Amino acid sequence: GENVEQHPSTLSVQEGDSAVIKCTYSDSASNYFPWYKQELGKGPQLIIDIRSNVGEKKDQRIAVTLNKTAKHFSLHITETQPEDSAVYFCAASDRNDMRFGAGTRLTVKP
Amino acid sequence: SAVISQKPSRDICQRGTSLTIQCQVDSQVTMMFWYRQQPGQSLTLIATANQGSEATYESGFVIDKFPISRPNLTFSTLTVSNMSPEDSSIYLCSVVYSQETQYFGPGTRLLVL
Repeated sequence: GENVEQHPSTLSVQEGDSAVIKCTYSDSASNYFPWYKQELGKGPQLIIDIRSNVGEKKDQRIAVTLNKTAKHFSLHITETQPEDSAVYFCAASDRNDMRFGAGTRLTVKP
Repeated sequence: SAVISQKPSRDICQRGTSLTIQCQVDSQVTMMFWYRQQPGQSLTLIATANQGSEATYESGFVIDKFPISRPNLTFSTLTVSNMSPEDSSIYLCSVVYSQETQYFGPGTRLLVL
């Protein structure tokens, strides 16, 4: 089955700096890669996703890149703000069989 | 995106008792899932809730412990049976509308004493 590894487990950045979270997956059949943000006391919220037919996708301050050959994908957050502080999860999916990374706790210091 | 609600939002229960968690979606969805998130951990899929048939459970989860109902395309329940402190977790339902995009409910925070 699919195995998703996520790094780092914790990340602390200064407000305004960029943050990068990386994930690798094992199943070459995976073709959908979402990212979720989970704030304290809330459920995971989908923030961006990418499918295997594209290499990069942007939405304002966040972007995701995918390297299918190397089986890794990354989340990039630019101009970080304190409200970006949360736990971020990557996932890889093949036909609704979705597996999650262990999560990254991002802290943005004002 | 979907509007998903869960009841209760949190509960404190005694060991040996059972709790039923409800998940309501604002529109019909094909697929609904139940996840467990233990403190500080990632999301683990418990089962796929199938409308009109028995749920499909992941390895390590059984129907006797986590019975699931899905009477229609907008509603599902998960029961945590004969609870022990190890069942203390966040329980999340999620739905898929189309093309594998999955949305999560707010979660039910369960503490078993």
